[in-house]
Amino acid sequence: GAGVSQSPSNKVTEKGKDVELRCDPISGHTALYWYRQSLGQGLEFLIYFQGNSAPDKSGLPSDRFSAERTGGSVSTLTIQRTQQEDSAVYLCASSSTSGSKETQYFGPGTRLLVL
Amino acid sequence: AQSVTQLGSHVSVSEGALVLLRCNYSSSVPPYLFWYVQYPNQGLQLLLKYTTGATLVKGINGFEAEFKKSETSFHLTKPSAHMSDAAEYFCAVGRGSTLGRLYFGRGTQLTVWP
Repeated sequence: GAGVSQSPSNKVTEKGKDVELRCDPISGHTALYWYRQSLGQGLEFLIYFQGNSAPDKSGLPSDRFSAERTGGSVSTLTIQRTQQEDSAVYLCASSSTSGSKETQYFGPGTRLLVL
Repeated sequence: AQSVTQLGSHVSVSEGALVLLRCNYSSSVPPYLFWYVQYPNQGLQLLLKYTTGATLVKGINGFEAEFKKSETSFHLTKPSAHMSDAAEYFCAVGRGSTLGRLYFGRGTQLTVWP
């Protein structure tokens, strides 16, 4: 596709349920990032994948959060036993190579609401 | 450690007036600096970035920013605001290394009055 796509665009769930958020990066991009955008917290880094290297998970807020990237392309962010404080917009980004000087291209985000 | 401070969570200007959005950073290594814009219900779009070289960087939509190492600043300016500039603006810093994560400021909401 022309840009980064994310699905679903909106997700409403009940506290305690698990959710999966999907990200399709720009074709050929080797680096993929997940960020969380919530009121009062700004944009927080969650996790970063680069090629076949071990991901940088240093931003994951708890062990309820996990992510994988299959085949070096699509990524899924999973939140287990969701809590109300998990409500936020989850943004995915990709870049052509690794390195913080590379432009990150963002998807439109998944808006998660935990009731 | 890296951090980014955006002074002013809300900025209002009249159409045609100068836009100035402030960003200061702290970084233990030479930084890479970015400004992104976010329109409602959309993802972030890159406006401009500084990596190396000329410290005055020009971006899309008439925006520019100047890297001032001595002031640890990367303020965003536009000489004449347009209604379509109304959006949220984020400053971000990356470490001067191969690590990819960005550190974002809290954002500045720009309102443009007719």
